[in-house]
Amino acid sequence: GQQVMQIPQYQHVQEGEDFTTYCNSSTTLSNIQWYKQRPGGHPVFLIQLVKSGEVKKQKRLTFQFGEAKKNSSLHITATQTTDVGTYFCAGGPKYNFNKFYFGSGTKLNVKP
Amino acid sequence: ETGVTQSPTHLIKTRGQQVTLRCSSQSGHNTVSWYQQALGQGPQFIFQYYREEKNGRGNFPPRFSGLQFPNYSSELNVNALELDDSALYLCASSYVPGQGPGANVLTFGAGSRLTVL
Repeated sequence: GQQVMQIPQYQHVQEGEDFTTYCNSSTTLSNIQWYKQRPGGHPVFLIQLVKSGEVKKQKRLTFQFGEAKKNSSLHITATQTTDVGTYFCAGGPKYNFNKFYFGSGTKLNVKP
Repeated sequence: ETGVTQSPTHLIKTRGQQVTLRCSSQSGHNTVSWYQQALGQGPQFIFQYYREEKNGRGNFPPRFSGLQFPNYSSELNVNALELDDSALYLCASSYVPGQGPGANVLTFGAGSRLTVL
């Protein structure tokens, strides 16, 4: 069945350091989405990638979708304390792009 | 526009009981997906409803069932509760099919936290 793996599970950084989380799917995806969940909150949509090799930027956040559409990454430059939370990737399988399977998430802690 | 609302926010049940969780989707959305999120884990897909029809199911037993109503609100029912059912249950609405930047984006509610004793 559909599996989406995400690493690392936890990341502790000093404010100002960079952060990257990686997402790998066992099958080719139609698209991939990224969500952020603050402690005690619910997932909030960040971005959707659809095209093979696509790169999108949102201020300090850079998202990439692999050429084979099986992996993705999120990179945050110069982390801030407001970046604290858990980042999830969610893969939309080719046979039904709207049913998203979430990775286990990367919990980011930023020390001031 | 109103967001996704879920009720109740918290509830405690005992093993063997039944529970019904409710979700009102965001205005303009036609699809509701239900997810189970255990502590420290990612959301696990339970099932999805599109225009009142079930549109796929994750790896959950038949004890988990649901409905979508004509106004696109939805219910999740869990029978014969087990201790492992303790989790945050998230409802997410979306508009499908769609094109453009907002298409297929999941808008989550705040969740219903279920504790089974």
